Amino acid sequence: DGGITQSPKYLFRKEGQNVTLSCEQNLNHDAMYWYRQDPGQGLRLIYYSQIVNDFQKGDIAEGYSVSREKKESFPLTVTSAQKNPTAFYLCASSMSGSQGNQPQHFGDGTRLSIL
Amino acid sequence: KQEVTQIPAALSVPEGENLVLNCSFTDSAIYNLQWFRQDPGKGLTSLLLIQSSQREQTSGRLNASLDKSSGRSTLYIAASQPGDSATYLCAVRPLGSGYSTLTFGKGTMLLVSP
Repeated sequence: DGGITQSPKYLFRKEGQNVTLSCEQNLNHDAMYWYRQDPGQGLRLIYYSQIVNDFQKGDIAEGYSVSREKKESFPLTVTSAQKNPTAFYLCASSMSGSQGNQPQHFGDGTRLSIL
Repeated sequence: KQEVTQIPAALSVPEGENLVLNCSFTDSAIYNLQWFRQDPGKGLTSLLLIQSSQREQTSGRLNASLDKSSGRSTLYIAASQPGDSATYLCAVRPLGSGYSTLTFGKGTMLLVSP
């Protein structure tokens, strides 16, 4: 089945540690996105990528980094510079489509907590 | 800057009721509006996508309308069931130069009791 796979489902980070969240899609989508979701808040965009080897900062990119070496994969690294990383992280993808009229599809998320 | 508001924040209804969830946005210059469902601890499931040129979309017991000029959308759920219990989010894709991404509301948490 086509879909978006995020791993791991749960992740714990120690102080000063970088951690990487995986996102893989087999939908042949061009665009991929990372969002952060905190309780009582809407989703906030961290980074997005329209094509391989290119990505753009979203609204809250500080303390995060990404790469897009393959069309299928868009890993997110939460660096030690991100002082409040506890949140639910969601990856999404979409066809590029003209005028951005394609729906976004989401993975099941990774819950990151601080040890 | 585009802002999306969803009212009410939470809603509890008995099974069988028809209900309406509301979404408003501050800037009517949008490509489209998308409604999602989120179950606890899970990702988002896309329910309906309405392009800016459309007035409504239907899928089964769900009907979403869009009034772009007034900055409003509604999600109508007919004959609600306990399995409809979830958080419903709306998101808009703003028009603009270059590539734009979704702006989300905070969601409406729906509980349908048997």
